[in-house]
Amino acid sequence: DAGVTQSPTHLIKTRGQQVTLRCSPKSGHDTVSWYQQALGQGPQFIFQYYEEEERQRGNFPDRFSGHQFPNYSSELNVNALLLGDSALYLCASTLGGAKNIQYFGAGTRLSVL
Amino acid sequence: SQQGEEDPQALSIQEGENATMNCSYKTSINNLQWYRQNSGRGLVHLILIRSNEREKHSGRLRVTLDTSKKSSSLLITASRAADTASYFCATIQGAQKLVFGQGTRLTINP
Repeated sequence: DAGVTQSPTHLIKTRGQQVTLRCSPKSGHDTVSWYQQALGQGPQFIFQYYEEEERQRGNFPDRFSGHQFPNYSSELNVNALLLGDSALYLCASTLGGAKNIQYFGAGTRLSVL
Repeated sequence: SQQGEEDPQALSIQEGENATMNCSYKTSINNLQWYRQNSGRGLVHLILIRSNEREKHSGRLRVTLDTSKKSSSLLITASRAADTASYFCATIQGAQKLVFGQGTRLTINP
């Protein structure tokens, strides 16, 4: 049973570029959440997708957008990258909502130069 | 904004000793969860304690919850080198948002 998988593992971009990160949830899970974790900090909630719709959003600008596909996989898109977007981006999946245990992927480390 | 605040921020102990980490939070909760993160990779769920529970055990882990003080503690007994990691408490804000503290970085020295 595959867990949560994220791609790519590492990514280097320059300021102003756009990036797409991908996540496949754990088998049987229908809900995907995205988190940003800066170095030395705890993860910060970006948004959550359920039934292909954004269900809740954290305090992130519109440059951060996402999508969920019919197979429950998800993408995180960040436009007009800033140096401050450098972080570990984590995807988590669950069944039915955050009140249940969330299962995390290994993350994508994004460096913006 | 961070919901939880972990204390201490860093903890270094000898293998075999017990490690205690504390977490304080700000709003009322349905449950509180503890996660572990190794070397800046993905988080692993350790234990969930519901608001009507005061103590919960899982193997070498013991979690307590005091809703009157809005605080929780995680005790790891008989620590091992493999316990070296960052530990985070997390609560749910709103319907779906899992909110983490800044974490305690635990180092187990051989």
